[in-house]
Amino acid sequence: KAGVTQTPRYLIKTRGQQVTLSCSPISGHRSVSWYQQTPGQGLQFLFEYFSETQRNKGNFPGRFSGRQFSNSRSEMNVSTLELGDSALYLCASAVTTPNTGELFFGEGSRLTVL
Amino acid sequence: AQSVTQLDSHVSVSEGTPVLLRCNYSSSYSPSLFWYVQHPNKGLQLLLKYTSAATLVKGINGFEAEFKKSETSFHLTKPSAHMSDAAEYFCVVTLNDYKLSFGAGTTVTVRA
Repeated sequence: KAGVTQTPRYLIKTRGQQVTLSCSPISGHRSVSWYQQTPGQGLQFLFEYFSETQRNKGNFPGRFSGRQFSNSRSEMNVSTLELGDSALYLCASAVTTPNTGELFFGEGSRLTVL
Repeated sequence: AQSVTQLDSHVSVSEGTPVLLRCNYSSSYSPSLFWYVQHPNKGLQLLLKYTSAATLVKGINGFEAEFKKSETSFHLTKPSAHMSDAAEYFCVVTLNDYKLSFGAGTTVTVRA
């Protein structure tokens, strides 16, 4: 059974640009969550999607957005990149909800903003 | 509001000795609690979870954790550390059905 796949694994952008990250969950999983991981702030929740609907959102500015497709694949977008957006972005999938069982994480997309 | 505090940012142990990682939580109701592990350049992996069943929870790779409501703690232990246990460990509490709160993490170093 394939795990959670995130693409790209590494990317470098400059300030002001935008970036789109992709996450393919485990087959059959309908919940996809996104997290930002930085040395200073640790792991912070961005948002969670289920059946193409955003069910919860963390405390991030509107530059951070996401969506989920009918096949449960998810994308997140960050517009007008800032230096502070440099981070590891982790995607996690679950069968229905994150808290009832095991969350399966991808290996992350490491974004560097110059 | 619920939150989680990991009391040690870094723990160093010798191979073959016990490991103790401390976690305290605050919650307005009985939460679900988890421990996850992250090896370098990898995603997180679930070690174990507490969901109001037995207070002593056994996980993978010989880890276990005890839920103590009176102390609002969920400490992670392993009787004998292995070199492969070197990683970062996160204590996690549910905020609601869809949102988790992660502790700041504890980095474990295992000395040969």
